[in-house]
Formats: sequence, structure tokens, C-alpha cells
Amino acid sequence: RKEVEQDPGPFNVPEGATVAFNCTYSNSASQSFFWYRQDCRKEPKLLMSVYSSGNEDGRFTAQLNRASQYISLLIRDSKLSDSATYLCVVNMGGYGGSQGNLIFGKGTKLSVKP
Amino acid sequence: SAVISQKPSRDICQRGTSLTIQCQVDSQVTMMFWYRQQPGQSLTLIATANQGSEATYESGFVIDKFPISRPNLTFSTLTVSNMSPEDSSIYLCSVVPTHGRETQYFGPGTRLLVL
Repeated sequence: RKEVEQDPGPFNVPEGATVAFNCTYSNSASQSFFWYRQDCRKEPKLLMSVYSSGNEDGRFTAQLNRASQYISLLIRDSKLSDSATYLCVVNMGGYGGSQGNLIFGKGTKLSVKP
Repeated sequence: SAVISQKPSRDICQRGTSLTIQCQVDSQVTMMFWYRQQPGQSLTLIATANQGSEATYESGFVIDKFPISRPNLTFSTLTVSNMSPEDSSIYLCSVVPTHGRETQYFGPGTRLLVL
């Protein structure tokens, strides 16, 4: 089983749609969780951290279910500028505390159409 | 967040040669890392660049192939040695700012093509 799994997509949605991405992780000792966004031919950029209680930032909502080892990202009222690849990222710091031990999913590609 | 620059931004190299990639940060950072992103793949951690000591390599990566330097808290280099076409990839450095908890910020990447 892969350490971090995501649906690769692509998700093709119209402007204004609500879209949800899911991610599962294999290591139950994982400490922290993130969603990064990567535009074509650019570096990944942090979109938001994911907290146990769930968190929201404008049109973006992230949720974590530790029991199911599942993370989600919901984008409401999608914009053309949301088109990108969304990377689910898990910090495996539970096994040694290395802050560098980020495991990246392969990403889910989103394309928002007018 | 920190401002990170990488040089070169891209390069085309002949097999058997070596390329050194530089990563410069505009402020002192706690930790610096080097990643590789092969075409169509996710990011893979190569190593943690330790200031004043040898880098810590992940499984599958060795110092002879990817020597790393980190002479101070704002600068690091990654060398890709004796290159082959399989080394064609994007190489990214990332940092954890001193007061940035565990969030990592990435440099713009270096696109490498080995012929």
C-alpha cells in the first residue's frame, strides 16, 4: 500500500462548482498533515495545514479523520485560478521527529472551466 | 515565509558530468532539505542538509552521487554527480523557517535534463 494515496484526477469542473479531494495515508503514527498546491512547472506552495478539528480558510475546508487515516480538501465556489495540482502531504515525524520526513501524494489535478 | 532562490533554474547536461545546484534563503532557517520530482511523480526527499555536518540521506540516495554542502544557515548546494539520463528531474530545496513550526517552503526548483 502506498504511503499517501490520492485520486490523480483530473477533476474537470465548471466555475462555481464545489469539488472535494480525498487522501488516505498508511502510517497511523503520522503527526501532521498539509495540502500543498502546485501549478504547472512551478514549485509546491503550502495551501493549508490540516488540524484534527478541521479548519477553514475562505473557500477552502480541510478535514482529518485519524481513525480512518483520511484527509479531505473541499473547495467551494471554484475559480479558474484554482486550476492546479493539489498535493496531500503527511509528516511522518512520529518515527524520529524529523521535520523533513514529509511524504507527498502524487497529487490530484483540478481543471476549472469557464 | 522565507524567500528562496535556486540557481540555475534549468540546465541541459551531458551524461557523465556533474552539476551543482545552489539554494539561497533570505533569512536564517532551522532546516534545509533537497527533494527530487521526476516527471509525473510526487516529490521524494533526497536528504536533509545539516549546517556544519554531513547531510542525512534518505534510503536510495548516497553521498557519492548527491554530495551536499551547507556552510551556513542560509545557503546549501546539491551536486548531481556522474549524471545519467535517469537523473533528469526537477530538484527543489525547501526550508523550515526558524519560527515557522514545521511548515516547509519550497524554492522554485532546478529543471535538469541529461542527454
